[in-house]
Amino acid sequence: EDKVVQSPLSLVVHEGDTVTLNCSYEVTNFRSLLWYKQEKKAPTFLFMLTSSGIEKKSGRLSSILDKKELSSILNITATQTGDSAIYLCAVVNNAGNMLTFGGGTRLMVKP
Amino acid sequence: ETGVTQTPRHLVMGMTNKKSLKCEQHLGHNAMYWYKQSAKKPLELMFVYNFKEQTENNSVPSRFSPECPNSSHLFLHLHTLQPEDSALYLCASSQGNQPQHFGDGTRLSIL
Repeated sequence: EDKVVQSPLSLVVHEGDTVTLNCSYEVTNFRSLLWYKQEKKAPTFLFMLTSSGIEKKSGRLSSILDKKELSSILNITATQTGDSAIYLCAVVNNAGNMLTFGGGTRLMVKP
Repeated sequence: ETGVTQTPRHLVMGMTNKKSLKCEQHLGHNAMYWYKQSAKKPLELMFVYNFKEQTENNSVPSRFSPECPNSSHLFLHLHTLQPEDSALYLCASSQGNQPQHFGDGTRLSIL
């Protein structure tokens, strides 16, 4: 059974801080890892990672996959209050296009 | 606007009621999904449809009955639900190996 574990469970920081969120996984026939941001409604897609060691970047957010360590990190620099959300990590195996989600990291950014 | 629309946004029902959740995607995707998001638990995949055919039923109780009349519409029929079924029900869609796009969900409360 595929498994995804995220840490920390929750995090409180102040604006301007840098945060690193962690995701580790156990999956049969790994295909890709995805990061989503969920505020009050729909999870919104951030990154899809398939290759180890290649950083993906979007503004202040970046993510990288380590297939040897079966993990990924999501970095947010110069955090803003609008970054407050639950960050979800999910993996996809080659058996299909089903996502297995981790429990999420709840990030709160204080002014 | 994510391109995936779910209705109703909120639903309160008794255990003996019958109701349906609706999902419509305007993205031209060929796969649609139902997920359940409960407090303090990871997002759980319930059902997967590819080209209107159900390809996955993740051990979901029969009181949940999905229907996919075409690639753009997905329903979840509810009957004789239990209090533990109270949750946020999320619909998603995808095309090929591309990331899934989520709707805003239906917040379901069972009295």
